[in-house]
Amino acid sequence: NAGVTQTPKFQVLKTGQSMTLQCAQDMNHNSMYWYRQDPGMGLRLIYYSASEGTTDKGEVPNGYNVSRLNKREFSLRLESAAPSQTSVYFCASSESRGSYGYTFGSGTRLTVV
Amino acid sequence: DQQVKQNSPSLSVQEGRISILNCDYTNSMFDYFLWYKKYPAEGPTFLISISSIKDKNEDGRFTVFLNKSAKHLSLHIVPSQPGDSAVYFCAASESGGSYIPTFGRGTSLIVHP
Repeated sequence: NAGVTQTPKFQVLKTGQSMTLQCAQDMNHNSMYWYRQDPGMGLRLIYYSASEGTTDKGEVPNGYNVSRLNKREFSLRLESAAPSQTSVYFCASSESRGSYGYTFGSGTRLTVV
Repeated sequence: DQQVKQNSPSLSVQEGRISILNCDYTNSMFDYFLWYKKYPAEGPTFLISISSIKDKNEDGRFTVFLNKSAKHLSLHIVPSQPGDSAVYFCAASESGGSYIPTFGRGTSLIVHP
């Protein structure tokens, strides 16, 4: 089915370890986003990519890096994981930065111990 | 400081009755508003939106009302069904700015059979 695919679905890391969350979309969307969802905090934007070749910081970028590998793929990297990064991470895409109907992936549940 | 507020973390409604989910915003530059629905272990899905040039938008059982002077919007679900049980996120964006929506913290709706 067309949509946004995130891998892995679950991950446990030790403090200080690094990892990359992968995201791919097959809808030929130009814009892609990474959000985190914490209990009682809603969805907070980490980074976004308005188009291939560009990335910009969102509301909570500290501790993260991103790569827009090509039009389809947008990865999120944690260089040195901290317990405060325990969260559910969602990748989303839209036709363009001005399109409002985002399509979200099913999420990655990350626990940092 | 929260620019989009959903002050009710949860709402419980009987099947067949009306569900009313509320959302307030503080940024007067917001001119496009959206509601997303999220089931457990899934990503949010777009539900309905409204532009600031309108005060009402309907889609089947779902209606969104916008009161610009009060900076308030609401989502009405009539009649409510058990399958509507989910977390509902309100979001707002500024078409003259980044376009990227700012999300509220969500309201968990439970519809009892």
